[in-house]
Amino acid sequence: DQQVKQNSPSLSVQEGRISILNCDYTNSMFDYFLWYKKYPAEGPTFLISISSIKDKNEDGRFTVFLNKSAKHLSLHIVPSQPGDSAVYFCAASLTRTSYGKLTFGQGTILTVHP
Amino acid sequence: EAGVTQFPSHSVIEKGQTVTLRCDPISGHDNLYWYRRVMGKEIKFLLHFVKESKQDESGMPNNRFLAERTGGTYSTLKVQPAELEDSGVYFCASSGGQSEAFFGQGTRLTVV
Repeated sequence: DQQVKQNSPSLSVQEGRISILNCDYTNSMFDYFLWYKKYPAEGPTFLISISSIKDKNEDGRFTVFLNKSAKHLSLHIVPSQPGDSAVYFCAASLTRTSYGKLTFGQGTILTVHP
Repeated sequence: EAGVTQFPSHSVIEKGQTVTLRCDPISGHDNLYWYRRVMGKEIKFLLHFVKESKQDESGMPNNRFLAERTGGTYSTLKVQPAELEDSGVYFCASSGGQSEAFFGQGTRLTVV
C-alpha cells in the first residue's frame, strides 16, 4: 500500500521553461511534506518543504504547492536549468518532530534539455 | 562540516554471507535513520535511532537485519545471512532536532 505516489516516472523539459512535478498522497495524517533531489551515485538532497498549515512555499526558483483537500502537492521549477536534471522524490512525514521518518514516492526523473 | 558518510560505497556478496554497512552521521545529530531503495522503487524507511536507542524499527524487513548504534555515534546495519532480495541501495540519514534529514551517498549492496 503506497501512501505517497509520483505517477509520472519521467519528465522532459526545455531549458528556461517551467518544470512541474506532481505527487499524491493517501494518508490524511501526513503533516509535513518535502522534496528531495537525487543525482546518480549520490544520496537524496533536501530541496524544499511545506507544512500542512500552508498551501505554498517558495525558495528561489523552486515553489511547492499543497492542496490538502485533494491530497496533492506539486513542485514548480522556474526557469528550469540543465543542472536540475535529476531524480526528484516527494516525501511526507506524520509529525513536525519526526522530519526524518519519511514516506517516499517512487521518484520522477527530470531531464532538462539545453 | 562533514556530511553523512557511508561505508562501503559498494558491496557484492554471495547469498548466505554476512555484510555490515556503516554510517557516520553528521556530528551532533542525535537522530539517525536507515532507508533502503530496491530496484528503482521508492526509498523505504527501515529504522530510526535517537542517540543509541532504537526509536522505531517498524520498517526492518525481518530478523536477518540487525542495526546498532554504539555510544550514539556511528551506526552499523548487518545483514546475516544475506538473500538475493536484500540487494538494493541502503541510505543512512541524520538530523538534529526539528530539521530535515541529511542523507549519505548510500551503499549499493548486490547479493549474487
